[in-house]
Amino acid sequence: DGGITQSPKYLFRKEGQNVTLSCEQNLNHDAMYWYRQDPGQGLRLIYYSQIVNDFQKGDIAEGYSVSREKKESFPLTVTSAQKNPTAFYLCASSIDRSGTSPLHFGNGTRLTVT
Amino acid sequence: EDQVTQSPEALRLQEGESSSLNCSYTVSGLRGLFWYRQDPGKGPEFLFTLYSAGEEKEKERLKATLTKKESFLHITAPKPEDSATYLCAVQGSYNFNKFYFGSGTKLNVKP
Repeated sequence: DGGITQSPKYLFRKEGQNVTLSCEQNLNHDAMYWYRQDPGQGLRLIYYSQIVNDFQKGDIAEGYSVSREKKESFPLTVTSAQKNPTAFYLCASSIDRSGTSPLHFGNGTRLTVT
Repeated sequence: EDQVTQSPEALRLQEGESSSLNCSYTVSGLRGLFWYRQDPGKGPEFLFTLYSAGEEKEKERLKATLTKKESFLHITAPKPEDSATYLCAVQGSYNFNKFYFGSGTKLNVKP
């Protein structure tokens, strides 16, 4: 079955540590996205990538970094510079770069930083 | 600034009691409006895309409609399995890589 796989489902880290969230898709989609979801707020865009080796900042990129070395993979690193890292992180993809297709989401990673 | 507001925040219905969820939006040139369903602890699941005012889409007990300022998700004779959070998102023509999401309506259907 084609889809987006995010791992791990739950992640616990101590403050001051960097952590990397995995996102893999086998849908052959060009574009990939990272969103953050907090209670009572809409999804907020962290980073997106339209093609391999290229990515752009979203609305809340500070304290995060990404890479896109392969079409299938778009890992997100939450760095120690991110002030409020505890959240539910969602990876998404869309079929093409022109933005005419909907986003398809993985099942998220819940990150807790103490 | 592109913006999406959903109402109500939460809605409690009895099984079979029809109702509507609202999504009001402001966007610089609407490219698409999207409805998603999200179950607890899961990622959003795509339901519909609407592109222009007057358009309607249906799927089982759900029907989405679009005007120039808002969209409605009508739920006819809901069942308990329709309980979920419903999210609305818009995509503008200015930067079509950005999808702006509302905070959702949490629907609870009681048997």
